[in-house]
Order: sequence, then C-alpha cells, then structure tokens
Amino acid sequence: AQSVTQLGSHVSVSEGALVLLRCNYSSSVPPYLFWYVQYPNQGLQLLLKYTSAATLVKGINGFEAEFKKSETSFHLTKPSAHMSDAAEYFCAVRVYNQGGKLIFGQGTELSVKP
Amino acid sequence: KAGVTQTPRYLIKTRGQQVTLSCSPISGHRSVSWYQQTPGQGLQFLFEYFSETQRNKGNFPGRFSGRQFSNSRSEMNVSTLELGDSALYLCASSPISGSSTDTQYFGPGTRLTVL
Repeated sequence: AQSVTQLGSHVSVSEGALVLLRCNYSSSVPPYLFWYVQYPNQGLQLLLKYTSAATLVKGINGFEAEFKKSETSFHLTKPSAHMSDAAEYFCAVRVYNQGGKLIFGQGTELSVKP
Repeated sequence: KAGVTQTPRYLIKTRGQQVTLSCSPISGHRSVSWYQQTPGQGLQFLFEYFSETQRNKGNFPGRFSGRQFSNSRSEMNVSTLELGDSALYLCASSPISGSSTDTQYFGPGTRLTVL
C-alpha cells in the first residue's frame, strides 16, 4: 500500500529563514508525489509535483522539493520565508492504478514570525 | 478559465437529514474527485467520477453517494446525516483520469455542519 508521512504537524520559522517541511513516502512502485497548500477557508492549491522527470522540482511561490529515492523522501523547501507563506501544507501520493485518487499526509501547519 | 466551483459554500443540517453538494469542474475537465477533510482524519478520498462512471470509491459507508452528469458536473449526497459528517467537502477536477502527469485542481470546498 502507498502512503505518505509528514513529520511535524506544526513548524514555526522567522520571516526570511529557511522553510523545510518533511514528507516521507512508502510505495512499492515509482510514486507520483505532490505538495499542496491550503490557506484558511480555502481549497487546496498545487505547489509542485514529481512525476519521474527531474528529481528537483520547482514550484510556485519560490518553493521546491527534491525526490530522494534512497531516503524515500520528498521534502519541501523555500530559502526565505515570507509572512504570506503561513498556511497548511499537504504532501500527497497518487495511488497506483486507481485513477486520480490521492492519499494525503496529515498536513503541516507553517507559522511565520515577523 | 474559471476554476472549480462548489455550491453551497456553507451548509447547516440536523442529524438524520440528507444533503446534496454540487461541484462544477474546470471547463474541459472530465474527471471529478471528492474528498472529506476533518481535523481528526485529515483528507480522505470519497470517490472519483469519469465520463459519468464511478471509477474509484473510498472507505465510506453507503450513505455517501455521488453521480456525474454528461456536462461533467458532479453531485455528492449524504443521507441520514450524523454528527461525524461535519467536515469540509472538497471537489477536485482533472482533464482525464489516471494520467501520471495529471494535476487535480481543487475547489474552495463546502463546509457542512451537522447539529
């Protein structure tokens, strides 16, 4: 079975500091991985996705993630946090052979301190 | 292009009632998926429709059902509401179903409160 685990339900950083949100996956087949962001009272917005092309994936708003097969990880990073980055972030894996079904991690709430 | 729209945005029902939520996908998108989001269980897959056929179903009781129309719009229905059905229900659309490069685009959700 495929799954994702997000380490840390809450992460707090100072404005301008590095953002690192951790995601580890479990999959017996090559995974397709996604990071979504959710702002309060809104739906999910795609930040970036890994679909077996480049292992370093660049997304919107300065975010990027690196697929590391040896570590079964797909951590999300941003060099310099901005106040507007405060939101909840979800890592997800597309379930093999089940259409568009996504399995999500539990989410990480990012706080940015001035 | 207009995004995924969901109606209504907020809904209050009482236990035992039934509810219907609506989702209009992005124009040209044929796949619609539904997810339930709660603080305790997180985001859970309900079902996916493609070309008016249910392609996948999550682990939810039969009280949860859905359908898709020929214009790709989708509805989900919850009968005999329970307090635990209070959640944010999210709809997502994608151009086709199952492509590895497919992206699911989410709507703003319908916030259902069951009293």
